[in-house]
Amino acid sequence: GQNIDQPTEMTATEGAIVQINCTYQTSGFNGLFWYQQHAGEAPTFLSYNVLDGLEEKGRFSSFLSRSKGYSYLLLKELQMKDSASYLCAVRDDGSNYQLIWGAGTKLIIKP
Amino acid sequence: DAGVTQSPTHLIKTRGQQVTLRCSPISGHKSVSWYQQVLGQGPQFIFQYYEKEERGRGNFPDRFSARQFPNYSSELNVNALLLGDSALYLCASSLTGVKDTQYFGPGTRLTVL
Repeated sequence: GQNIDQPTEMTATEGAIVQINCTYQTSGFNGLFWYQQHAGEAPTFLSYNVLDGLEEKGRFSSFLSRSKGYSYLLLKELQMKDSASYLCAVRDDGSNYQLIWGAGTKLIIKP
Repeated sequence: DAGVTQSPTHLIKTRGQQVTLRCSPISGHKSVSWYQQVLGQGPQFIFQYYEKEERGRGNFPDRFSARQFPNYSSELNVNALLLGDSALYLCASSLTGVKDTQYFGPGTRLTVL
């Protein structure tokens, strides 16, 4: 079956680094997305990986290992505004390229 | 450029009623997807439309229906509302809906009493 796992909640300190993991089992794979969602708001696109390796975009980086069914989102120099939920989604080319979503990781930043 | 827009922002209905939610995609985008998000969960796929044709349907009952218009805007209809339909309904647009990024609108918060 289709399954995407993320930790439910993580806590980190302002200015620190945090890594949010995502493991997936899907019938097909055509890319992995990370979205940020503040409470009560819509998800906003952060990053996209389709090949193995690290993609860096400012304070955010995302890593993918297709053989392990594993990705992580790395957030550096944490700011209070980074407090949000982080959603991992896999585009499944075995299901007409639909996005399969994890439940999200709620990240709490403390001063 | 305007992003994805949705209306209304909030809606309160009672059980058994019907509701229509509206979405306008980013200019130039031809695909619209609808998602339901219950608090504390990730979005659940409902429908995807491309060029006015249904491309995909998630595991939702027939009470849920949608359509896309020639200007690529879309409507999601839900009949015979149940308490469990209370959720944030998200619309996402993309160029073709296949191998490109989806961008979300602000959502419609539906409360069924």
